[in-house]
Amino acid sequence: VQLVESGGGLIQPGGSLRLSCAASGVSSSNYAMSWVRQAPGKGLEWVSGISWSSGTTYYADSVKGRFIISRDNSKNTLYLQMKSLRAEDTAIYFCAKHNAVGPRAGMDVWGQGTTVTVSS
Amino acid sequence: DIQMTQSPSSLSASVGDRVTITCRASQRISTYLNWYQQKPGKAPQLLIYDESNLQFGVPSRFSGSGSETDFTLTISGLQPEDFATYYCQQSFSSPYNFGQGTKLEI
Repeated sequence: VQLVESGGGLIQPGGSLRLSCAASGVSSSNYAMSWVRQAPGKGLEWVSGISWSSGTTYYADSVKGRFIISRDNSKNTLYLQMKSLRAEDTAIYFCAKHNAVGPRAGMDVWGQGTTVTVSS
Repeated sequence: DIQMTQSPSSLSASVGDRVTITCRASQRISTYLNWYQQKPGKAPQLLIYDESNLQFGVPSRFSGSGSETDFTLTISGLQPEDFATYYCQQSFSSPYNFGQGTKLEI
């Protein structure tokens, strides 16, 4: 099972970016997925999650209203659309697979991360 | 929101030691508590899920216990590869917050 993130980069404050996470080796459609970020030198911050069916989405207060999580199960791909980006959104963004259909379970598979830098 | 508080924030130990890291939730979370290990430059790795269940492939020297709000991760017989940062995370309700981390150093 492998998760590979892409889409990170340098973006100006106020800009938008879409991250992708491609799953291989297992059908991620049977599991909930989340995005977790880590600012430079800081701890882990859970950002957003989505149930296996895409019926329910969840967000941290820090990104609510600015980020949208979605998935395309036919492509085995998870997305994070980010808008109104701020300097404090600068971080490595990891996608992770939960070990259940909903997010009330540990995250047992992680990608290697993609770096987002918000700076002018 | 449920806040997770880990202690200590850093810990010095030696190979062969038994160490305990604690995690406190700001409200009851039943057994919805997970532990992760992260090494520098790497993604986190799930060690323990649902308070006390060892993830497949994780050595048995790792164990977890707890009761509703107070949880512990114990490593019995530290190995050189165990020196890393450890995080607890609650999966009871959104937002699924992590603790601030415990850095385990030699």
